[in-house]
Formats: sequence, structure tokens, C-alpha cells
Amino acid sequence: AQSVAQPEDQVNVAEGNPLTVKCTYSVSGNPYLFWYVQYPNRGLQFLLKYITGDNLVKGSYGFEAEFNKSQTSFHLKKPSALVSDSALYFCAVRVRASGTYKYIFGTGTRLKVLA
Amino acid sequence: SAVISQKPSRDICQRGTSLTIQCQVDSQVTMMFWYRQQPGQSLTLIATANQGSEATYESGFVIDKFPISRPNLTFSTLTVSNMSPEDSSIYLCSVVAGQSGRLYEQYFGPGTRLTVT
Repeated sequence: AQSVAQPEDQVNVAEGNPLTVKCTYSVSGNPYLFWYVQYPNRGLQFLLKYITGDNLVKGSYGFEAEFNKSQTSFHLKKPSALVSDSALYFCAVRVRASGTYKYIFGTGTRLKVLA
Repeated sequence: SAVISQKPSRDICQRGTSLTIQCQVDSQVTMMFWYRQQPGQSLTLIATANQGSEATYESGFVIDKFPISRPNLTFSTLTVSNMSPEDSSIYLCSVVAGQSGRLYEQYFGPGTRLTVT
């Protein structure tokens, strides 16, 4: 079955330190991968995507993600965390389904940046 | 990007009744989806709303319980029928952008918070 996994329910990091939120995937064919963020009491916002090309993709708010085909991973990273980055982060993959496409979301990782 | 509005933003309903949620997009989009999300948890895809044909439902969701309409490329409705407390959740409408440079990006409405008593 095609799926995406986020192994950590919560990640804690000190402000100013680098952060990593992990995501692994299992899909047939070339993966289209995404990261979304959900701030408290707000809707989901698109952060970045990998479709093809460079393995390191840059997105909004200083976030980036590294696509690793051999490890089937797409970890989200940021060199220096801010308290305002505290939110719920979702990894997603686009898969073929019934002649069209759909998006499968991971279980989410709560990022807590400590001042 | 697409701007999506949903109505109502929240509602409290009695069990056994039905609620219709509206989703309006500010541009024509091909792909539109309905999700359910418990607060602080992951998204569960209910169905893909297809313009001009029946919606495609995910395992565990059926048309009798969650009828969907998609009369045009900017509008869809999701009805939660014969509600029970287990239907209490946030219901999200989303669309996929098709413009160059924003291909495949998914945009979400603000959600409808439903409480069934």
C-alpha cells in the first residue's frame, strides 16, 4: 500500500538550533512529496514540494527539505528554529488512484521550539 | 494560489439531523477534495469531488452518509447525514492548483468545526 510515515509525534528543539522533522514514504513510481504546516486554530498551509530536479528544495519561512530516493525519505529542515515555528507539520504524498490522483497525509509531527 | 471559503465555519447539531457544508473557490479548479480532521490529528480523505460525475469515496465512507455535489469548477458541498457524536470533527475542503509554478500544490479552506450532541 502507498503510504507516508512520520515516526515522531513530537519534536522539541531549542530556539536557534537546527531542526529536522522526519518523513518516509512508500509509493510506486516517482514520488511527488509535500510538507504542510498547521498553526493553532488556523488552516493548513503549503510549505514546499518535491516533484523532480534538485534533491534539496526550499520553501516558505526558511524551511527546506531533502529528498533521498535510496532512503525513501523527505525530511523537513531548518537551520535555525524560531519559537514561531511551533506548529503541527504534515508530510504528504500524491498517488495515482482510480484514473486520477489523491493525496495521502502522514500522522503529523508537533514541533515545539523552546525559548 | 486559490482562496477557499467554507460555510458554516462551525455548527452544533443534534444527532439524527444533517448538515450541508459549502466550499467556494475563487478560481476554477479541476481537483477538489473533502477531508476530515480531529483537532490536532491527521487528515482523513473522505472523497474526491468530481465535476459532472459522482464523487469518488475512500474506504470507510459512503455516498449515503456523505453525499457530495460539485455542480461547477468553483463550488462543492458535503452533507453529513444522520449525524451521530462520532461525526464531530473538522471538515476541510481542499483544491489542487494547476497553474505553472504552483502545480500540484494543495490549498485548504479554513474548515468547518462540527459538534454533534
